[in-house]
Amino acid sequence: EIVLTQSPDFQSVTPKEKVTITCRASQSIGSNLHWYQQKPDQSPKLLIKYASQSISGVPSRFSGSGSGTDFTLTINSLEAEDAAAYYCHQSSSLPQTFGQGTKVEIK
Amino acid sequence: QVQLQQSGPGLVKPSQTLSLTCAISGDSVSSNSAAWNWIRQSPSRGLEWLGRTYYRSKWYNDYAISVKSRITFNPDTSKNQFSLQLNSVTPEDTAIYYCAAGVYGMDVWGQGTTVTVSS
Repeated sequence: EIVLTQSPDFQSVTPKEKVTITCRASQSIGSNLHWYQQKPDQSPKLLIKYASQSISGVPSRFSGSGSGTDFTLTINSLEAEDAAAYYCHQSSSLPQTFGQGTKVEIK
Repeated sequence: QVQLQQSGPGLVKPSQTLSLTCAISGDSVSSNSAAWNWIRQSPSRGLEWLGRTYYRSKWYNDYAISVKSRITFNPDTSKNQFSLQLNSVTPEDTAIYYCAAGVYGMDVWGQGTTVTVSS
């Protein structure tokens, strides 16, 4: 089973600041890495697909990069509505797995 | 646009069977380019993929090893939905259960069902 480790677990950020969340895979997964945003009492929402592919309707301040074992989700110019938990997810091999999550709080 | 609507009980007794259904609109459960997943979320396990069902000229199921001996997925083409059955539940199966559509990334999620296993 591929283990995904996110860092940090928690981040407190002021609006307009840049946020960087990393996800490291226990073995190479190519670009089969996806990012989700989950707000309290809501289902996760797909933000980025295949490491860097943007999703229609998702604000352009969200971007992703990386391949192999190291991946990054970047939120440029954080807005108050971005307060949420963020998860990475790999679909390279079964079982599909998720990172433990990163909670982003607005200062 | 694909939408998923979940239904099923929120309380299940230990040793009994957890049954949930996910109704699909905007796509077909037997689409040759889709996959239909079950995922659960709990404070202790985080997000856990339970498995998927999909149709590629015949039906396939992939199950997570952690639940493989207890889980069954059933696609229902007449109602365009798919279901989850998890047998012999324990309090450890208490979680929010989601259905989700996606072959790789999970493009669309159901609204979630909070299931508590308790007598």
